Amino acid sequence: AQSVSQHNHHVILSEAASLELGCNYSYGGTVNLFWYVQYPGQHLQLLLKYFSGDPLVKGIKGFEAEFIKSKFSFNLRKPSVQWSDTAEYFCAVKPTGRRALTFGSGTRLQVQP
Amino acid sequence: DVKVTQSSRYLVKRTGEKVFLECVQDMDHENMFWYRQDPGLGLRLIYFSYDVKMKEKGDIPEGYSVSREKKERFSLILESASTNQTSMYLCASTLSGAQVNTGELFFGEGSRLTVL
Repeated sequence: AQSVSQHNHHVILSEAASLELGCNYSYGGTVNLFWYVQYPGQHLQLLLKYFSGDPLVKGIKGFEAEFIKSKFSFNLRKPSVQWSDTAEYFCAVKPTGRRALTFGSGTRLQVQP
Repeated sequence: DVKVTQSSRYLVKRTGEKVFLECVQDMDHENMFWYRQDPGLGLRLIYFSYDVKMKEKGDIPEGYSVSREKKERFSLILESASTNQTSMYLCASTLSGAQVNTGELFFGEGSRLTVL
């Protein structure tokens, strides 16, 4: 079945550590890719998105993601995390021609001061 | 500012009750969606609507129905609530046309339903 996989379910880091969260998808055609973030008690909001062009995408709050087509991956990175980055992060995929996004299972990031 | 409002933040219902979850958006979006969010499972699509009175099943439609009588309002209905429907329900919307290719969703704050 077509799916989106986030292999890291819970990540604990200290402030200033580097972050990389994995996301792989199994759709074969053209896709749009997204990372959403949900801070404690808040609604989901868009972190960054990829449609085409430069596979390295920069988002808000210093986050970036790299689309590697050959690996069907869209990993999220941040060079130095802050305590305020504590949140749950969701990768999502929208295949061309579909109206809805398919989400991964999420990664809970806990940043310790 | 983009606004998706879910009328009930917390609900507690009994098994067998009929439950209505309401969602209103003020952005004139054509597409509206209902997802449920469960720990370890992420967000799963229940139903979506791409126009008034139009709807399509998502990945987990069993036990749910929807209603879209007006463009701004999309309701999720649990005809006979069961304990396995205890979850966080998220409503989202997005524009059609050029923006549908972006797929960017705007989410409400969620409705946490507990079925006893």
